[in-house]
Amino acid sequence: DADVTQTPRNRITKTGKRIMLECSQTKGHDRMYWYRQDPGLGLRLIYYSFDVKDINKGEISDGYSVSRQAQAKFSLSLESAIPNQTALYFCATSDPRERGGESDEQFFGPGTRLTVL
Amino acid sequence: AQTVTQSQPEMSVQEAETVTLSCTYDTSENNYYLFWYKQPPSRQMILVIRQEAYKQQNATENRFSVNFQKAAKSFSLKISDSQLGDTAMYFCAFGATSGTYKYIFGTGTRLKVLA
Repeated sequence: DADVTQTPRNRITKTGKRIMLECSQTKGHDRMYWYRQDPGLGLRLIYYSFDVKDINKGEISDGYSVSRQAQAKFSLSLESAIPNQTALYFCATSDPRERGGESDEQFFGPGTRLTVL
Repeated sequence: AQTVTQSQPEMSVQEAETVTLSCTYDTSENNYYLFWYKQPPSRQMILVIRQEAYKQQNATENRFSVNFQKAAKSFSLKISDSQLGDTAMYFCAFGATSGTYKYIFGTGTRLKVLA
């Protein structure tokens, strides 16, 4: 079974619709992240959470919100989707103690391809 | 601000040959980590190798090794004995946890291994 899961895997929606992308993990990690990937731009951090009560904005948080419902669940919402939010979205987790170090290796979900028409 | 630059958008290599992917970064941090991630056509992001900045020894993982030049802020990935399964997008990433959390990815290098 996958350690980090994302639902849905693919979604097509219309401008102005509210969309929620969900992420669940069984790795027991406290840290969770949302990234978006655009061609030619790599991955950019949207939000991150180091525990259930800790939510932080990343590089490109405008137009997005998140909810950390439990240690294992971290949701990303687009309150009113717009076409330039069309992208591949990744959830990731980390634990600085993995491999005995503090490297914060990220463990990624399979991604959600979102298309906003 | 931290930046990560991958100047090679696309590369190709013959099967069984060696290829080197370049990455440079800029930071004022003293404690940080560098990573190479692989994204095959399945789009799953997979860690290939990591390097702690405080370690002088270059990291190796089987056919993958890095050339870490801290003073030059360079972190290249060498793939030896390239295999068709190495065909993927490769991302260099920088991570630092002092102060504001930072995790920056480069724009990627698309590598194609030719039979």
